[in-house]
Amino acid sequence: DADVTQTPRNRITKTGKRIMLECSQTKGHDRMYWYRQDPGLGLRLIYYSFDVKDINKGEISDGYSVSRQAQAKFSLSLESAIPNQTALYFCATSASVAGGSDTQYFGPGTRLTVL
Amino acid sequence: QKEVEQDPGPLSVPEGAIVSLNCTYSNSAFQYFMWYRQYSRKGPELLMYTYSSGNKEDGRFTAQVDKSSKYISLFIRDSQPSDSATYLCAMSANAGGTSYGKLTFGQGTILTVHP
Repeated sequence: DADVTQTPRNRITKTGKRIMLECSQTKGHDRMYWYRQDPGLGLRLIYYSFDVKDINKGEISDGYSVSRQAQAKFSLSLESAIPNQTALYFCATSASVAGGSDTQYFGPGTRLTVL
Repeated sequence: QKEVEQDPGPLSVPEGAIVSLNCTYSNSAFQYFMWYRQYSRKGPELLMYTYSSGNKEDGRFTAQVDKSSKYISLFIRDSQPSDSATYLCAMSANAGGTSYGKLTFGQGTILTVHP
């Protein structure tokens, strides 16, 4: 079974609709992240959460919100989707390591298309 | 100027070739350097991880970090068609920095190894 799962895997929606992307992990990690990937731009951080009560904006948080329902669950919402939010969305997790770097483990991605 | 620059390619090589993938960066606080491999329609997976300057070898893969030049490389020896993927460099600052735990990614290089 996959350690990091994302649902749905693909979604097509219309401008103005509310969309929620969900992420669950069984790795026992405390840190979770949401990224979007666009051609030529690489991975850009939307939001990150270091524990259930700690949520932080990333470099491109406008138009997005998140909820950390439990240590293992982190959801991303688009309150009113717009076409330029069409992208591949990835959830990632990592374990806090004192004095070390956070190696991140990624889910399979959600391909979102906003018409 | 982006913090991390990576030539997006695409790069096409014959099977058996030595492949060199590179990233440059501007943030001298980066201490941890990673290479992720991403197959089509999959999430990135960690391939190599190095701390500070130096070399690290794992099978056909060698990662090099030159902090004085702010330059990192990934070498693939005896490349195989199964190495065809997008390769992303990523880096993060040392523990205690304000960016601790957050990875900054390059744009990714698309590699095709043809038989």
